[in-house]
Amino acid sequence: DSGVTQTPKHLITATGQRVTLRCSPRSGDLSVYWYQQSLDQGLQFLIQYYNGEERAKGNILERFSAQQFPDLHSELNLSSLELGDSALYFCASSPRTGAGGNTIYFGEGSWLTVV
Amino acid sequence: GEDVEQSLFLSVREGDSSVINCTYTDSSSTYLYWYKQEPGAGLQLLTYIFSNMDMKQDQRLTVLLNKKDKHLSLRIADTQTGDSAIYFCAEKGRDDKIIFGKGTRLHILP
Repeated sequence: DSGVTQTPKHLITATGQRVTLRCSPRSGDLSVYWYQQSLDQGLQFLIQYYNGEERAKGNILERFSAQQFPDLHSELNLSSLELGDSALYFCASSPRTGAGGNTIYFGEGSWLTVV
Repeated sequence: GEDVEQSLFLSVREGDSSVINCTYTDSSSTYLYWYKQEPGAGLQLLTYIFSNMDMKQDQRLTVLLNKKDKHLSLRIADTQTGDSAIYFCAEKGRDDKIIFGKGTRLHILP
């Protein structure tokens, strides 16, 4: 158990809908990362937050957004869902950013199926 | 942009050593990682190496880093059936983004 909690574990929804994925980082970790894992694209970095502020941005679509709240949990919002958004979405956390933040720990992921 | 490449498949006989290779492009990488993903599970951190190190050993795992060639390898000694998984190489740049390769699926032959 990495200490990173993601909910829901599985989600099935229809095209055009909107979903919210939730992540609770390890206790004390300030940094939260979101990744999308699909068969053809591998593990794609979406976005990183550090202590409530956006820190780094990757291949995140405009239909997707994220935020990190004062209690450090994070949510990833996916809207106008398409079939191609079906994937495993991972959250990860690390103690701090910068040169000292040397490891990140992953949750077990949220399986999203868009039908 | 940053890119991490690794071969997609590797088959090794039980008891032999497995060597999984990775190349990356970001010369400003600060840390390099190896993660393991078992079926239906999340990514488990196996080991990491700081960019100013050449080698790191942890029990059956040996990580070698050639910074000049931007090449990272993971050697698993005495490979067991429980080592069957997907192994991801990742690098962390100075901008804090952590970029992963597509993963190498390690298959253990009896």
